[in-house]
Amino acid sequence: SQTIHQWPATLVQPVGSPLSLECTVEGTSNPNLYWYRQAAGRGLQLLFYSIGIDQISSEVPQNLSASRPQDRQFILSSKKLLLSDSGFYLCAWGVPGTATYEQYFGPGTRLTVT
Amino acid sequence: KNQVEQSPQSLIILEGKNCTLQCNYTVSPFSNLRWYKQDTGRGPVSLTIMTFSENTKSNGRYTATLDADTKQSSLHITASQLSDSASYICVVSAYTNAGKSTFGDGTTLTVKP
Repeated sequence: SQTIHQWPATLVQPVGSPLSLECTVEGTSNPNLYWYRQAAGRGLQLLFYSIGIDQISSEVPQNLSASRPQDRQFILSSKKLLLSDSGFYLCAWGVPGTATYEQYFGPGTRLTVT
Repeated sequence: KNQVEQSPQSLIILEGKNCTLQCNYTVSPFSNLRWYKQDTGRGPVSLTIMTFSENTKSNGRYTATLDADTKQSSLHITASQLSDSASYICVVSAYTNAGKSTFGDGTTLTVKP
C-alpha cells in the first residue's frame, strides 16, 4: 500500500531563517507531487506541483521554492522566512494519467514564523 | 477563472441530526468533483469522487450528489456523530496533465451533543 510522510510535524522558526520541509511517498512510482499551504480558517492554496524529477511548476509567486531530487521525494524550501509564510503545509501525491485525479494528503507541517 | 464556492461557511448541528453542505463551481472542462473531510490539524481525507456521468455517490453516512448541468454538488450527512466535526472541502478538477484542482474554502461543521 502507498504511504506519504511529512516532517517535521511542527516547526517554529524566526523571521529570516531558512526552511526545509520534506515529503516522501512509498509504494508507488512516478507520482504527481503537490505542495499546498493552508492559512488558518482558509482553503488550500496550491504552491507547487511536479509531474517528474526536476519537473516542477510554481503556481503562486512567493518566497518559497521546491525541488524533487528523487522520484518520490519532494522538498519545500526558503532561504529567508517571512512572517506571512506561517501556515499549515500539506504535501500530496496523485497517480498520473488517471481520470479522477485523486490526491492523497500527508499529515502536514504546522509552521510558525516568529 | 476556475472557482469553487462552498456554503455555508460554518454550521452547528446537534448529534443525530442530518445536514447538507453545498458546493457551486465554475471549472472547465470538468473532470471530476471530490469531497474531502479534514480534521483539525490533519491532512484531508477523501470521502467521495464523482465524474461527469455520476450524479450520486455514497460512503457510509455521507452521500454526495452532482448536477453537472447547474454545476452544483451537495454533501449530505445522515445521523451526525461527534466525530463528524471537521472541515468539509469540495474540490473540482479540470482535464490537465497534472490533475491540478480547484479547492473550495470548506465548510466547518460542529456537531454538539
